[in-house]
Amino acid sequence: SQQGEEDPQALSIQEGENATMNCSYKTSINNLQWYRQNSGRGLVHLILIRSNEREKHSGRLRVTLDTSKKSSSLLITASRAADTASYFCATDAWGGSTLGRLYFGRGTQLTVWP
Amino acid sequence: DAGVIQSPRHEVTEMGQEVTLRCKPISGHDYLFWYRQTMMRGLELLIYFNNNVPIDDSGMPEDRFSAKMPNASFSTLKIQPSEPRDSAVYFCASSPRPNSPLHFGNGTRLTVT
Repeated sequence: SQQGEEDPQALSIQEGENATMNCSYKTSINNLQWYRQNSGRGLVHLILIRSNEREKHSGRLRVTLDTSKKSSSLLITASRAADTASYFCATDAWGGSTLGRLYFGRGTQLTVWP
Repeated sequence: DAGVIQSPRHEVTEMGQEVTLRCKPISGHDYLFWYRQTMMRGLELLIYFNNNVPIDDSGMPEDRFSAKMPNASFSTLKIQPSEPRDSAVYFCASSPRPNSPLHFGNGTRLTVT
């Protein structure tokens, strides 16, 4: 399966600390995306990193991609209680016949305590 | 832009009944996706469309499930007959082009008793 897998499944930290989530996948990709899901809501896109990029920043978010290890990490710096949510990575399939299809992992549940 | 709109937000029905979930994608988005989310299986892609044409329906669990996209602004996912194991949150998402970020609706929580 192409599906990405996030690690850890759950992460609990205090406000102000950094949160790091990891994602591993199995086959070559064009890009990797990270999404956030608040309880009872749909997923919201956070950041997209292309296969030829190694690092990308967006505000307090930092994403890295290591295609040789088929892994990515999402770092949230100076976390806030409002960052409490589930975080998912999603990958496409490079050269796949089903262009446009995204494969989602099971997610990391992040809890940030005030 | 109002985003992806799904209806209803909640649906409770009895086993054997027909269920129809609705989705209005973002205008101009050529791709539409139906996902199902459960604790056990996570987020599963059921089917997706490009320019109203189904591209990949390999995730549709059984013949009881069917999806249509009669025009660029509307899609339905129908379950007939429904079963308790169909209970899940069903999401619709759209995107303007392949491999670009998906825009999700807030989902329909389906409970089949």
